[in-house]
Amino acid sequence: TQLLEQSPQFLSIQEGENLTVYCNSSSVFSSLQWYRQEPGEGPVLLVTVVTGGEVKKLKRLTFQFGDARKDSSLHITAAQTGDTGLYLCAGPSYDKVIFGPGTSLSVIP
Amino acid sequence: DTEVTQTPKHLVMGMTNKKSLKCEQHMGHRAMYWYKQKAKKPPELMFVYSYEKLSINESVPSRFSPECPNSSLLNLHLHALQPEDSALYLCASSYRGSPLHFGNGTRLTVT
Repeated sequence: TQLLEQSPQFLSIQEGENLTVYCNSSSVFSSLQWYRQEPGEGPVLLVTVVTGGEVKKLKRLTFQFGDARKDSSLHITAAQTGDTGLYLCAGPSYDKVIFGPGTSLSVIP
Repeated sequence: DTEVTQTPKHLVMGMTNKKSLKCEQHMGHRAMYWYKQKAKKPPELMFVYSYEKLSINESVPSRFSPECPNSSLLNLHLHALQPEDSALYLCASSYRGSPLHFGNGTRLTVT
């Protein structure tokens, strides 16, 4: 059974700080996805990483896929209150998408 | 605006009621999903439809009954629910093997 772990599970920081969220597995994934879910809404896809070692940037967000395709990280530079939400990593597993437990981020003004 | 539309946004029902949740997408996706989500937890897969046929049922209790009338619509029929079934119910769609497109969910409260 493929499992995804995330750390930290909860994070509260001041506006302007940097942070990194980690997603780890003991299994190899063909790709990993990151979603952000804001309160009252469904998860929204931020990025898909496919190639080991890949780095993708989305404005202040930087995503990295580990060389062995077992882990990924999300780094946010100069966090803003609009970054508040639940960050989920996810990966394909047979006919399903499995999710990590999520990182609940709160950015305080 | 989300491309997956769910109605209603909120639903309060008693344990003896029958209600239905509806989901619609027009992106041509042939896989559609129902997820259940509790606060600050990840979505839990309930059902997967592929080409309008039920392909995965994650051992969901029979008080939840899915239906896929056509390639754009997905329903979830609810009957005799329990208070612990209160949650956010999310619909999603995708091309096979591709990332999920979620609706904004139905917030269900069972009294």
